[in-house]
Amino acid sequence: DSGVTQTPKHLITATGQRVTLRCSPRSGDLSVYWYQQSLDQGLQFLIQYYNGEERAKGNILERFSAQQFPDLHSELNLSSLELGDSALYFCASSVGASSNEQFFGPGTRLTVL
Amino acid sequence: EDQVTQSPEALRLQEGESSSLNCSYTVSGLRGLFWYRQDPGKGPEFLFTLYSAGEEKEKERLKATLTKKESFLHITAPKPEDSATYLCAVQARSGTSYGKLTFGQGTILTVHP
Repeated sequence: DSGVTQTPKHLITATGQRVTLRCSPRSGDLSVYWYQQSLDQGLQFLIQYYNGEERAKGNILERFSAQQFPDLHSELNLSSLELGDSALYFCASSVGASSNEQFFGPGTRLTVL
Repeated sequence: EDQVTQSPEALRLQEGESSSLNCSYTVSGLRGLFWYRQDPGKGPEFLFTLYSAGEEKEKERLKATLTKKESFLHITAPKPEDSATYLCAVQARSGTSYGKLTFGQGTILTVHP
């Protein structure tokens, strides 16, 4: 158990819908990262927040957005969902903004029908 | 653009048969190289961080080494419970990347009893 929690574990929804994934980092960690894992693309970095502020952005679609709240938990919002958005979404956390080990949560499996 | 290539894609070993996994990388200034283990349907589990060429780290039957262009994960006398996907990732020094990890596609290791 890494200490990072994610909810829900599974999510099944329809195309065009909007969903919110939630992540709570390990106690004491200030950075939260979101990654997407699909069979063909592997693990892809989406976005990083550090102490409430956006720090780095990867290939995150405009339909996706994220935020980190004052209690340091984070939410990833996915809208206008498409079949290709079906994937495992992982949250990770680390103590600092960079050069620290990232600890991953158990993931949310999103299925878009 | 940072790139990570892992080989082989899949590796089947007999219990006790030692071997190595390879991770080749190109990055604009290496901040750190990370090894993770991932079991099916679960989040990546942190194993090692290497920061400079010549560095080595060990944990039980695993030993990770780093050169300027690649990293190796040596598995000595593996057991069936070592079966998993092993992921390699790099973190760059460049200013806008901060904590972003770039992952390889992974090596699927199967150890037969």
